Amino acid sequence: DTEVTQTPKHLVMGMTNKKSLKCEQHMGHRAMYWYKQKAKKPPELMFVYSYEKLSINESVPSRFSPECPNSSLLNLHLHALQPEDSALYLCASSQEPGAGANVLTFGAGSRLTVL
Amino acid sequence: SQELEQSPQSLIVQEGKNLTINCTSSKTLYGLYWYKQKYGEGLIFLMMLQKGGEEKSHEKITAKLDEKKQQSSLHITASQPSHAGIYLCGADYNQGGKLIFGQGTELSVKP
Repeated sequence: DTEVTQTPKHLVMGMTNKKSLKCEQHMGHRAMYWYKQKAKKPPELMFVYSYEKLSINESVPSRFSPECPNSSLLNLHLHALQPEDSALYLCASSQEPGAGANVLTFGAGSRLTVL
Repeated sequence: SQELEQSPQSLIVQEGKNLTINCTSSKTLYGLYWYKQKYGEGLIFLMMLQKGGEEKSHEKITAKLDEKKQQSSLHITASQPSHAGIYLCGADYNQGGKLIFGQGTELSVKP
């Protein structure tokens, strides 16, 4: 299995809702990432998990809460979002961060719309 | 990112023509990655370059990293409509696995 699976593909939520994005990989990768991508812009790193521990938080607002329950799963919990948080959220994984060659495998993304 | 400049921002070429996309870093690269993205979809890995002077090819796509490891180019030979999409270069500056992307180049190939 060489895929990163993201669910849901599309999500519409109100500003008072609580929802979660999910990401799963079965490649034995030990690093997992969340990126945010606005239209016509490059992906921007949000979080990096290395061996199930949060290693990088790019000063992301607390309304985004990542969770890594095990080495195969990565969640992004969403609460009290703003319309400007509407974007494509991309999950990625890699064998091991900071070990030289670090090819990220990306999922297809979750398109989030905040009303 | 201001650390990584990609050019051109967009490119329209006739099918069969060659093209080059450039990616310039303001500091030494530990690794340079090329990805392709269809609008609204995930990124597809193309190639990774690590050594100065390195060159890699896959089908009609060739990527190079210059000797000083601060600039990379992606060259497509005899472009086809299937090459259309957004090409992104990603820089590894040895910051714990962090990959920083250039602004992207949107490629259209006219049949």
